[in-house]
Amino acid sequence: QSALTQPASVSGSPGQSITISCTGTRSDIGGYNYVSWYRQHPGKVPQLMIYDVSHRPSGISNRFSGSQSGNTASLTISGLQADDEADYYCSSYTSTSALFVFGTGTKVTVL
Amino acid sequence: EVQLVQSGPEVKKPGESLKISCKASGYTFINYWIAWVRQMPGKGLEWMGITYPDDSDTRYSPSFRGQVIISADTSGNTAYLEWSSLKASDTAIYYCARPITPGRYYFFGMDVWGQGTTVTVSS
Repeated sequence: QSALTQPASVSGSPGQSITISCTGTRSDIGGYNYVSWYRQHPGKVPQLMIYDVSHRPSGISNRFSGSQSGNTASLTISGLQADDEADYYCSSYTSTSALFVFGTGTKVTVL
Repeated sequence: EVQLVQSGPEVKKPGESLKISCKASGYTFINYWIAWVRQMPGKGLEWMGITYPDDSDTRYSPSFRGQVIISADTSGNTAYLEWSSLKASDTAIYYCARPITPGRYYFFGMDVWGQGTTVTVSS
């Protein structure tokens, strides 16, 4: 099964907002409300930032928000901070395998 | 505290077998799915499969079906990932993870992760 498509890199200055896109198909993103987003700092364990498209786990800043339109999901980070510099992965349920598929990953750089 | 603690790093030769573990604590083990995720050196995350300890329902991503075995021991609150014959391409970090919501019908957002087990396969 093919990975979801994310931009390889996104950058922004401190305080700015950035948006990471995640494009799939009707078999995954477009067909279900089960998109999650994970942040992974270098050498660290992935961390859940958003689940079920737009829900934030307890303890996750409201600077992180998720949305979905058609076959594309998006993660917006507002008020960009140095600690936001990391790799970000989207994930969705897919009917192709009745399991999940990850995105290709996006490296966020804080200028 | 809810935790998933994985077994330590492994160095193996091609063709050898291996079973790594993920021990759960701080929650009711049988009520949550456990997923396994692979991360090859310098690469992205890949879902391998999931298991529901309560009834041993186990599902594999197409790329990993037939390549690994995922299981769980409810008496020891431990999930396992097993290979019968390792290849150099199995060199990776393997994570176990648990979804944010319990139950048979929810296995989406993974909010608890193990620390990862590094597996190195080299002759």
